[in-house]
Amino acid sequence: AQSVSQHNHHVILSEAASLELGCNYSYGGTVNLFWYVQYPGQHLQLLLKYFSGDPLVKGIKGFEAEFIKSKFSFNLRKPSVQWSDTAEYFCAVNAKSGYSTLTFGKGTMLLVSP
Amino acid sequence: EAGVTQFPSHSVIEKGQTVTLRCDPISGHDNLYWYRRVMGKEIKFLLHFVKESKQDESGMPNNRFLAERTGGTYSTLKVQPAELEDSGVYFCASSQEFQGFGYTFGSGTRLTVV
Repeated sequence: AQSVSQHNHHVILSEAASLELGCNYSYGGTVNLFWYVQYPGQHLQLLLKYFSGDPLVKGIKGFEAEFIKSKFSFNLRKPSVQWSDTAEYFCAVNAKSGYSTLTFGKGTMLLVSP
Repeated sequence: EAGVTQFPSHSVIEKGQTVTLRCDPISGHDNLYWYRRVMGKEIKFLLHFVKESKQDESGMPNNRFLAERTGGTYSTLKVQPAELEDSGVYFCASSQEFQGFGYTFGSGTRLTVV
């Protein structure tokens, strides 16, 4: 069975600080990897995804994530956060082969103070 | 295009009552998914429809939960009778692809059972 672990449940940063949210997964096969974001009062949105190729993936709003296969990690980064990045961030995986639904981590609540 | 619509956005019911949640997927999306997030836990898969058929209902917690998708369009998720542990946010998502790579999520229904 797949599982996803997000290292921090709550992160508080000041504007312009750098961000790195950790995500590790457990699965015996190859996976697709996702980061979703939920802004206050809004729906879950896809931030970025990794299927194959370059392990450094760039997403919307200046976010990027790096897939490190040897570490089973897919950490999310942003060099300089803004107040508008305040949201909850979810890492998710699904198996690449066959039928597979998404397995999510518990989420990380990011609060950016102006 | 219109997104995935869920209603109600909030519902507060008493233990033992019945509640029906509705999801309208993006038009043309054959795949419809229900997920649930219980307070402090991961977002977890409940079930997956392909058109009007249940492809996978392995995540449904028990027989108090009944999901339907009439004519392959909108879907309803009924909880009868509701218990305290059913409280949480119920998300619906739809996709064109079978494996759900292109999920679009709704804003969720926050269900509180008191």
